Amino acid sequence: AQKITQTQPGMFVQEKEAVTLDCTYDTSDPSYGLFWYKQPSSGEMIFLIYQGSYDQQNATEGRYSLNFQKARKSANLVISASQLGDSAMYFCAMREGRSGAGGTSYGKLTFGQGTILTVHP
Amino acid sequence: DSGVTQTPKHLITATGQRVTLRCSPRSGDLSVYWYQQSLDQGLQFLIQYYNGEERAKGNILERFSAQQFPDLHSELNLSSLELGDSALYFCASRDQSGGGDGYTFGSGTRLTVV
Repeated sequence: AQKITQTQPGMFVQEKEAVTLDCTYDTSDPSYGLFWYKQPSSGEMIFLIYQGSYDQQNATEGRYSLNFQKARKSANLVISASQLGDSAMYFCAMREGRSGAGGTSYGKLTFGQGTILTVHP
Repeated sequence: DSGVTQTPKHLITATGQRVTLRCSPRSGDLSVYWYQQSLDQGLQFLIQYYNGEERAKGNILERFSAQQFPDLHSELNLSSLELGDSALYFCASRDQSGGGDGYTFGSGTRLTVV
């Protein structure tokens, strides 16, 4: 079963508009973390935002916010005021298990299939 | 520069050959993770090392092996290469000593098997 699902293979948005990229996840672990990464055409993976399962507030980082709906197991990324430079592949990822000291083996990330975002001028 | 260094950036080799990919983690990070990104499989976790010890294994083929050295750099060895091994290989490091959640990815090694 897919642990991370991104149902939108591609999305288009007009410059300066907001866009929501969908992500649903599946885990029975009460402690987990959710991440969004951006991968431009150059290939590097750029960290955007993180949400812990026990965090009460939705995470925000500049123009990025994470719409975390725990009961629905969704963690959608909202990009406000899109810019041409936002055109890229976006990945949702999950880490199961509690983050913490000791080098836990729980640290691996499971990624979704990604969404290609194209920002039009 | 993310602080995680991967070399080489590009590698072209023939089927049946063996290659070694190198990763130097961010200063102070004890964990190293290897991922493979291919068109058909997406981003797949291969293996994790923490302070020199293997901690978790994912979808890593028997032809592949890895290790983490005392200076914390890691190497991923790919042998008997097949066309399907062509992919972008990422290394990521993470500081787990303080409970942080920051994974830092290197820029990747693009392997092409011809």
